[in-house]
Amino acid sequence: GQNIDQPTEMTATEGAIVQINCTYQTSGFNGLFWYQQHAGEAPTFLSYNVLDGLEEKGRFSSFLSRSKGYSYLLLKELQMKDSASYLCAVMDSNYQLIWGAGTKLIIKP
Amino acid sequence: IAGITQAPTSQILAAGRRMTLRCTQDMRHNAMYWYRQDLGLGLRLIHYSNTAGTTGKGEVPDGYSVSRANTDDFPLTLASAVPSQTSVYFCASSDSRGGNEQFFGPGTRLTVL
Repeated sequence: GQNIDQPTEMTATEGAIVQINCTYQTSGFNGLFWYQQHAGEAPTFLSYNVLDGLEEKGRFSSFLSRSKGYSYLLLKELQMKDSASYLCAVMDSNYQLIWGAGTKLIIKP
Repeated sequence: IAGITQAPTSQILAAGRRMTLRCTQDMRHNAMYWYRQDLGLGLRLIHYSNTAGTTGKGEVPDGYSVSRANTDDFPLTLASAVPSQTSVYFCASSDSRGGNEQFFGPGTRLTVL
């Protein structure tokens, strides 16, 4: 079966750095997405990786290793507004997104 | 409007009733999707459409139907609602089916009693 694993919840301190991991087993691979979802709101796109390596976008970076079935989202200089759920999703061979359950990130002052 | 809109925002429905959730996008995207989001689970694809006039089944299609008469609209119908269909429903769209970011509507919170 297809599976996306990510931690259920993480806590970090304002101003710090946090890394959210995602491991996947899917039927084929056509890219990995990270989305942010604030409570009661819709998911919004953060990043897309299809090749191995690090993609940096401001305070957020995303890393992919296809051979290990592994990705992480790195958030730097954490702000209170970063408190949200972070969703990892993999596009399989049928171009269908398979979603993880999300990681709830709690930022403490 | 800009982006994707969904209606209603929330709804309480008696079991056995028929319900249509509406979704409209103005980005001229070819592909559209319906997901449900339940606590502790990832988003699950119900149905999708690659382009106007075509639809396909996702991971959890039973009890739901869709149509895509034009590019902008992608309604989701529950023919006879059951309590297990209580969920938050998100409509999304993307320029094409593969490798493109999906844009999400604000969601419809549906409760079936």
